[in-house]
Amino acid sequence: GAGVSQTPSNKVTEKGKYVELRCDPISGHTALYWYRQSLGQGPEFLIYFQGTGAADDSGLPNDRFFAVRPEGSVSTLKIQRTERGDSAMYLCASSLMDGREQYFGPGTRLTVT
Amino acid sequence: AQSVSQHNHHVILSEAASLELGCNYSYGGTVNLFWYVQYPGQHLQLLLKYFSGDPLVKGIKGFEAEFIKSKFSFNLRKPSVQWSDTAEYFCAVLGGRGSTLGRLYFGRGTQLTVWP
Repeated sequence: GAGVSQTPSNKVTEKGKYVELRCDPISGHTALYWYRQSLGQGPEFLIYFQGTGAADDSGLPNDRFFAVRPEGSVSTLKIQRTERGDSAMYLCASSLMDGREQYFGPGTRLTVT
Repeated sequence: AQSVSQHNHHVILSEAASLELGCNYSYGGTVNLFWYVQYPGQHLQLLLKYFSGDPLVKGIKGFEAEFIKSKFSFNLRKPSVQWSDTAEYFCAVLGGRGSTLGRLYFGRGTQLTVWP
């Protein structure tokens, strides 16, 4: 079946602009996760949803970052007033339920100039 | 918070050599353990997982890992590597004291290069 998909695959934006990154999980997966990966590092947790609600948002670095999952399927990660330090690969994953193995999408490469 | 250490950052082997990649985590309790692999130009893929039961788990492509609770370790092994195993390998831990059920903690990864 179809895996996790993320759009766009690449996003270049100017410092100070607003961006939205989209994630489509595997059909039927109730849990959805966002991670951020910088070069030479492992993915770092940002937030995860069980259904429509954020079960753990403790990884969001500051209040410029926000994520939603209004219908319990697609999720959008929103970054306001982007900074050059936000440049990274943003990964989305989903799982059948939380506590189970997570399946990752291809990521969105965000570059802030 | 939970942390995961992968001590080998870059491993270079010849084909048919044996592989062992180390992974240690900091907090015990009930943990679920994973190895993920990222082949060049591809996204993260699950290689194997441990939830409970036999501490020696087998994954895809001939990989296996052993959970040693007393050592907080989950090392990855393969008896004979192939050129196609060239990739980056990430150890990840779910759970442990103070952690939620959804938050995966990753090590920084080990780049494996296999020469033909």
